[in-house]
Amino acid sequence: AQSVTQLGSHVSVSEGALVLLRCNYSSSVPPYLFWYVQYPNQGLQLLLKYTSAATLVKGINGFEAEFKKSETSFHLTKPSAHMSDAAEYFCVMGSGNTGKLIFGQGTTLQVKP
Amino acid sequence: DAGVTQSPTHLIKTRGQHVTLRCSPISGHKSVSWYQQVLGQGPQFIFQYYEKEERGRGNFPDRFSARQFPNYSSELNVNALLLGDSALYLCASSTDRALYGYTFGSGTRLTVV
Repeated sequence: AQSVTQLGSHVSVSEGALVLLRCNYSSSVPPYLFWYVQYPNQGLQLLLKYTSAATLVKGINGFEAEFKKSETSFHLTKPSAHMSDAAEYFCVMGSGNTGKLIFGQGTTLQVKP
Repeated sequence: DAGVTQSPTHLIKTRGQHVTLRCSPISGHKSVSWYQQVLGQGPQFIFQYYEKEERGRGNFPDRFSARQFPNYSSELNVNALLLGDSALYLCASSTDRALYGYTFGSGTRLTVV
């Protein structure tokens, strides 16, 4: 069965520090993988997507993620955190046959001044 | 261009009532999906429609139903509301059912009392 696991429900970093949000997936077929961000009381915004073209994926707002098949991971990083990055982040896997998106439980990113 | 629009933004219903939520996809998008996000959790897949046909259904009871209209807008209906149906209901649209990233609306916050 396909599944997504986000390691750490809460991550706290200082402004200017490295952001690292961890995600592991389980899939018997090559996965489509995404990171979405959700600000309070808002919908989900696509940060970046992996569709097998390149293992290092660059997204919006300075975020990037690297697909590592051997580790079944798709961790999200940003070199320098900004206060505006504080939000809920979801690692998401696509199920190609049904169009279903499988969400991780989410990681709340707190950025301290 | 308008994004994915959902209506209403908020509503309160009583247990046992029926509710209809509406979604208009981005112009040109033929795929619409519905997700339920309970507070503190990641969104859960309810339905996907593509070209007015149901292409996927999540693990939700038959009280949940949906349809897609010729203009690709969609309705989600929930009968016999339970307290546990209280959630943020998200609609997402895409150009097709292949997974190149869905665009989400801001959601409808349903409270069942």
